[in-house]
Amino acid sequence: DQQVKQNSPSLSVQEGRISILNCDYTNSMFDYFLWYKKYPAEGPTFLISISSIKDKNEDGRFTVFLNKSAKHLSLHIVPSQPGDSAVYFCAASVNAGGTSYGKLTFGQGTILTVHP
Amino acid sequence: EAQVTQNPRYLITVTGKKLTVTCSQNMNHEYMSWYRQDPGLGLRQIYYSMNVEVTDKGDVPEGYKVSRKEKRNFPLILESPSPNQTSLYFCASSLSGTGALGNQPQHFGDGTRLSIL
Repeated sequence: DQQVKQNSPSLSVQEGRISILNCDYTNSMFDYFLWYKKYPAEGPTFLISISSIKDKNEDGRFTVFLNKSAKHLSLHIVPSQPGDSAVYFCAASVNAGGTSYGKLTFGQGTILTVHP
Repeated sequence: EAQVTQNPRYLITVTGKKLTVTCSQNMNHEYMSWYRQDPGLGLRQIYYSMNVEVTDKGDVPEGYKVSRKEKRNFPLILESPSPNQTSLYFCASSLSGTGALGNQPQHFGDGTRLSIL
């Protein structure tokens, strides 16, 4: 049972435009969400996160939106750059009162290609 | 330089021959974890360790063993590898597993590609 789903395997965007990557989850216990970026032959690197008490978090060109009622989060990249071309994973965790249970559940990933 | 180091980076071996993938971090992190990445399935957690001598199963622990005898090392052991364990493996660490993982994002190694024939 895939508790975190990224239904778009790939996304192609023109440089300078907005990239929107989507992620859905089924486990209502998830209360912290993260996005990781992965280049070929490298490990994933942390990009941005959001707590379930917020609906938006912004860091430079990257903004994550969380819609708890829809169990949906999205990552917006504005403006997109060719160097953003990578695989993007969303991930979710369950934390209670600041204590992590240690498990992190990832989606399948979306390949973003930004064309010059 | 802060890093998570995995060895080997690539390995081709045969069914049933025990192997160990080592993972070492130099950041004094308490939390360490192993993942496998497969096409269409993303990253799936195999085992994790909240601290020395504390390990727990992730979502796909079958066929794997781990140990955490010291803080910096978290080896992944395949006692009797099978072809369905052919995959790309990642080790990760974070400062603490007792805080929200989101506040302490994991640092990943560069991966180990295992092929089991």
